[in-house]
Amino acid sequence: DVKVTQSSRYLVKRTGEKVFLECVQDMDHENMFWYRQDPGLGLRLIYFSYDVKMKEKGDIPEGYSVSREKKERFSLILESASTNQTSMYLCASSRTSATGELFFGEGSRLTVL
Amino acid sequence: AQSVTQPDIHITVSEGASLELRCNYSYGATPYLFWYVQSPGQGLQLLLKYFSGDTLVQGIKGFEAEFKRSQSSFNLRKPSVHWSDAAEYFCAVGDNFNKFYFGSGTKLNVKP
Repeated sequence: DVKVTQSSRYLVKRTGEKVFLECVQDMDHENMFWYRQDPGLGLRLIYFSYDVKMKEKGDIPEGYSVSREKKERFSLILESASTNQTSMYLCASSRTSATGELFFGEGSRLTVL
Repeated sequence: AQSVTQPDIHITVSEGASLELRCNYSYGATPYLFWYVQSPGQGLQLLLKYFSGDTLVQGIKGFEAEFKRSQSSFNLRKPSVHWSDAAEYFCAVGDNFNKFYFGSGTKLNVKP
């Protein structure tokens, strides 16, 4: 069964802390994505990666960075967490093709106090 | 610019009734269209997708969607809703560069 695994389902951090959200996929997909989900706003793309060590900014990259050292792993980093980064974070992966659909992890709910 | 609009934020239907969730998109080329479902506390699961060919596509859990190019719409339908269908539904459009644009979602509530 194909799988996208997010290491933490729930996290509580304090303002100013550095936060790492990890995502691993076992489908050998080229593309990986980080989305943020907030009520009424749907999913907004933070960053994506088409290949190892490659990254592209999405629609809301401010305050975030990413790392992709291995094909199967894509990390989202909050250098200095702020309360407005309290949200649900969804990782996804896809194959590079015109018809490649997204496969999602179960999400990481981050609360910043 | 690409965009997806889901005009209904919340919908309530009775169990056994039919369902239609609306989705309109804005995209300059041939769109690749998707519907995803999200159960509470979970990630998103693909219901169905459209790339080309027959404009009526069938998906999992008894859902179907119809692509209407003239109306820039891709509405999701189900003839008889079950209580387990209560969830949030997202419409999305994919471009040729593997980027995806999501609507803001429609929450479905099912009355017994």
